[in-house]
Amino acid sequence: AQSVAQPEDQVNVAEGNPLTVKCTYSVSGNPYLFWYVQYPNRGLQFLLKYITGDNLVKGSYGFEAEFNKSQTSFHLKKPSALVSDSALYFCAEARRGANNLFFGTGTRLTVIP
Amino acid sequence: DGGITQSPKYLFRKEGQNVTLSCEQNLNHDAMYWYRQDPGQGLRLIYYSQIVNDFQKGDIAEGYSVSREKKESFPLTVTSAQKNPTAFYLCASSSDRDTYNEQFFGPGTRLTVL
Repeated sequence: AQSVAQPEDQVNVAEGNPLTVKCTYSVSGNPYLFWYVQYPNRGLQFLLKYITGDNLVKGSYGFEAEFNKSQTSFHLKKPSALVSDSALYFCAEARRGANNLFFGTGTRLTVIP
Repeated sequence: DGGITQSPKYLFRKEGQNVTLSCEQNLNHDAMYWYRQDPGQGLRLIYYSQIVNDFQKGDIAEGYSVSREKKESFPLTVTSAQKNPTAFYLCASSSDRDTYNEQFFGPGTRLTVL
């Protein structure tokens, strides 16, 4: 079965420090992978996606993610965290030819001033 | 929230009542989706539609119904058969059925059963 795992419910990081939000996937072959962010009582906003090609994907707001096939991971990263980055982050995957996305359970990021 | 509107923002329902959540998009997208969000469970797909007058069940369709009579509209009805309807409901759309296209989400409707 398809699934993504976000092993950390909560990540705390000091402002200005690098941040990493972890995601692993389980689809065999070449999955489509996405990161979304959700601010309180709002819908999800698309950050970035991996389809094919370069393993390092750059997205909105200075975020990037690295597709690692050997580790089946797609961790979200940012070199310097901002307090405004505090939000709920979701990883999602889709199998090629499928009709929908499968979301992880989310990781709450708190950036401490 | 990119051209997708959901109404109402908050909705209260008495047990045994059906309620309909509105979702409208002006992005000219073919595909539309309904998700349910519960704390600690991420998003779960209720129904999706890839084209007008066609829709498919997602992972948790029981107790819900949808229609897709117009391209821009995809209303969700939460029926009395849904045993635990209190949740945050999110509507999304994408430009076509291919899942490499990102989905655009509405602001959500929070449904509470009294």
